Amino acid sequence: DAMVIQNPRYQVTQFGKPVTLSCSQTLNHNVMYWYQQKSSQAPKLLFHYYDKDFNNEADTPDNFQSRRPNTSFCFLDIRSPGLGDAAMYLCATSRDPGHYTDTQYFGPGTRLTVL
Amino acid sequence: AQKITQTQPGMFVQEKEAVTLDCTYDTSDQSYGLFWYKQPSSGEMIFLIYQGSYDEQNATEGRYSLNFQKARKSANLVISASQLGDSAMYFCAMREGGTGNQFYFGTGTSLTVIP
Repeated sequence: DAMVIQNPRYQVTQFGKPVTLSCSQTLNHNVMYWYQQKSSQAPKLLFHYYDKDFNNEADTPDNFQSRRPNTSFCFLDIRSPGLGDAAMYLCATSRDPGHYTDTQYFGPGTRLTVL
Repeated sequence: AQKITQTQPGMFVQEKEAVTLDCTYDTSDQSYGLFWYKQPSSGEMIFLIYQGSYDEQNATEGRYSLNFQKARKSANLVISASQLGDSAMYFCAMREGGTGNQFYFGTGTSLTVIP
C-alpha cells in the first residue's frame, strides 16, 4: 500500500542535542510538509518542499531545518532542541497544492521528548 | 477571524448511535475544499472525507458523511452507528483555491464513544 512512513515513532533527546526526524513516502507526491503539534492543539505548519523548492513559514524558528534529498525522503533537523520543542511531529504529502481539492496524507508521527 | 471553527471541544456518544461534529468556515473564495481528519491517541492523522465547494451532493464515505450547507458555511461531519474505535480527535480543515499550500485546521473535537 502507498503510504507515508515516519521514523522513529518515538524520539528522546537531551536539551541542546541535535536530532533528526525522517519521513519517506511511496505516494510519489510532489509536496512534503512538516507540522508540529502540541498537546490538544491543531497541527502547525513548519515548512514544506514543493519538489526541490523549500518554503519556510514566517514564524518557524531558525532552530528547525529541513532537507529533501530526493522525491521520497524528507528530514527535519532540530539543531538545538529546547524543552518547548517537545511535541508530535507530523509529516504529510500531497500531489498538487495549487488546487483546492488537493488532499494531504499524513504519516504516523514522531513523538519527541526533550529531557 | 478564524478560518475554521469547531465549537465542540468534547463530545460523547453512545455506541451504535449517530453523532454530528460541527465545523464552520470563513472564506471569500468561490473555490475551496473541506476535509475531515481523525486523530486517535496514537497520533496519526487519518484522512476521512472531502467536500469541494462546487459539489452539489454531500460527500459520503462508509459511515462518514459530510453535511455541507454552503450558505451557512458549515461542513459538519456525521458518523453513523458509532463504534468504540471512533473515539479520537477530529479535525476539520480547509484549503482555499489559489492560496496553494496553506491548510487551515480547526482546533478539533474530542469524541468519546461510550459502550
